[in-house]
Amino acid sequence: QSALTQPASVSGSPGQSITISCTGTSSDVGGYKYVSWYQQHPGKAPRLIISDVSYRPSGVSNRFSGSKSGNTASLTISGLQAEDEADYYCSSYTSSSTLGLVLFGGGTKLTVL
Amino acid sequence: QVQLQESGPRLVKPSETLSLTCTVSGDSINSYYWSWIRQPPGKGLEWIGFIYYTGNSNYNPSLKSRVTISLDTSKNQFSLILNSVTAADTAVYYCASITNSLGLDSWGQGTLVTVSS
Repeated sequence: QSALTQPASVSGSPGQSITISCTGTSSDVGGYKYVSWYQQHPGKAPRLIISDVSYRPSGVSNRFSGSKSGNTASLTISGLQAEDEADYYCSSYTSSSTLGLVLFGGGTKLTVL
Repeated sequence: QVQLQESGPRLVKPSETLSLTCTVSGDSINSYYWSWIRQPPGKGLEWIGFIYYTGNSNYNPSLKSRVTISLDTSKNQFSLILNSVTAADTAVYYCASITNSLGLDSWGQGTLVTVSS
C-alpha cells in the first residue's frame, strides 16, 4: 500500500474537467509545499507536470493545475483531450525518517471517454 | 535541458548484484541532485534514493541495507548498486534529476531489469 492515497481511476469526456486527489498526512503533503505531479503514458518515462504544489514547468499546458488543502493535494485537468489519457502520480517530501524522503502515490489511471 | 540515459545488464540472477549507470549530458553532474526510481511491471513508482554532487546521499529505508548510489564526476555519470536481489526487484529502473523542491524534472527512458535464474 502506497504512503500517499490516490483514486485508482478517474474518467471524463473531452472538454470536461477532472480532479485527481492525493491524500497524505501532516508529515508530508499537509506540512510542506513539496508536492509534485507526474504524467506517464504507456511504455514511457514519467513527465513532471506540477511541482511545488502548483508550479507548472516550462512547456506544460496551462490546462494542468495543482492545489492543496490540508493533507490533500489535487491535480485538475481542464478541457480534457484524448492525449491526456495516461497514468498520473503524485509525490511529496516526507519528514518521516521511517518512510525516507520522497513518497509516491499509487497512481491514477485517467480514461478519456 | 539535461538528458539522462540508463545502461547496464538487463538480466540478473537471484542473490546477485544489480548494477546500473546513468550518463548525464547537457549539463555538469556537479550540480543538482540525482536520483534512482523504479517501477515493477504494471505497478507504481518507488523512490530508491538520491545523491548530491557533494556525495551526500539519502535512501529509501526499505532498501537502505542493500543500496548504494555513487557519482563519477570525471565521466558525468552516477550509478546504482542493489545487492542480494530477488524477483521482487524486477522493475523498470529510471534515473532522474531532482529540483530543490524534490521534483523529478528530467528522466532517463528507463531500463527493464529482470531478476531470474
